[in-house]
Amino acid sequence: AQSVTQLGSHVSVSEGALVLLRCNYSSSVPPYLFWYVQYPNQGLQLLLKYTSAATLVKGINGFEAEFKKSETSFHLTKPSAHMSDAAEYFCAVRNYGGSQGNLIFGKGTKLSVKP
Amino acid sequence: EAQVTQNPRYLITVTGKKLTVTCSQNMNHEYMSWYRQDPGLGLRQIYYSMNVEVTDKGDVPEGYKVSRKEKRNFPLILESPSPNQTSLYFCASRGFSLNTEAFFGQGTRLTVV
Repeated sequence: AQSVTQLGSHVSVSEGALVLLRCNYSSSVPPYLFWYVQYPNQGLQLLLKYTSAATLVKGINGFEAEFKKSETSFHLTKPSAHMSDAAEYFCAVRNYGGSQGNLIFGKGTKLSVKP
Repeated sequence: EAQVTQNPRYLITVTGKKLTVTCSQNMNHEYMSWYRQDPGLGLRQIYYSMNVEVTDKGDVPEGYKVSRKEKRNFPLILESPSPNQTSLYFCASRGFSLNTEAFFGQGTRLTVV
């Protein structure tokens, strides 16, 4: 069975600083991995996805993530934080068993950006 | 514009009063699902549907019903809501392939008093 662990429920960075949000997955088969962002009072929006092509995946708004099989990680990074990046971020893995490919989400990391 | 539309966005109701949250998608997606989001728990799947007239339970189905009579619509029904169903609900849809992303609605914040 697949699972996702996001380290840190809250992360705070200064504007202009590096953003690093951690995600580790568990999967017995090559995973499909996703990062979503949720702005206040809005739905989830896809940032990027890994589907077994390039291990470094670039997404929207300057975010990228690197798939590292040896570390079972898919950490999300952005070189320079902007105030508009303040949101909650969810890592998710596609479930191959059970519910016909539903997404299994981590518990989320809330990112705060200080001026 | 490709979108998943949920209604209503906000709903306050009383215990035991049946309600329906509607969900519609305009992308001709086969797969639709409902999630609930609770603080500290992330998103958990309630029900999903692989296609018209094909539905099945997710991880937390108790107290909910769904139907899929048309491909574009996937309503969530709470026949007798209880306070523990107070939550933020999301509808999502995606194409058939496992490497496609899910598209989410704007959410419905439900309060049961």
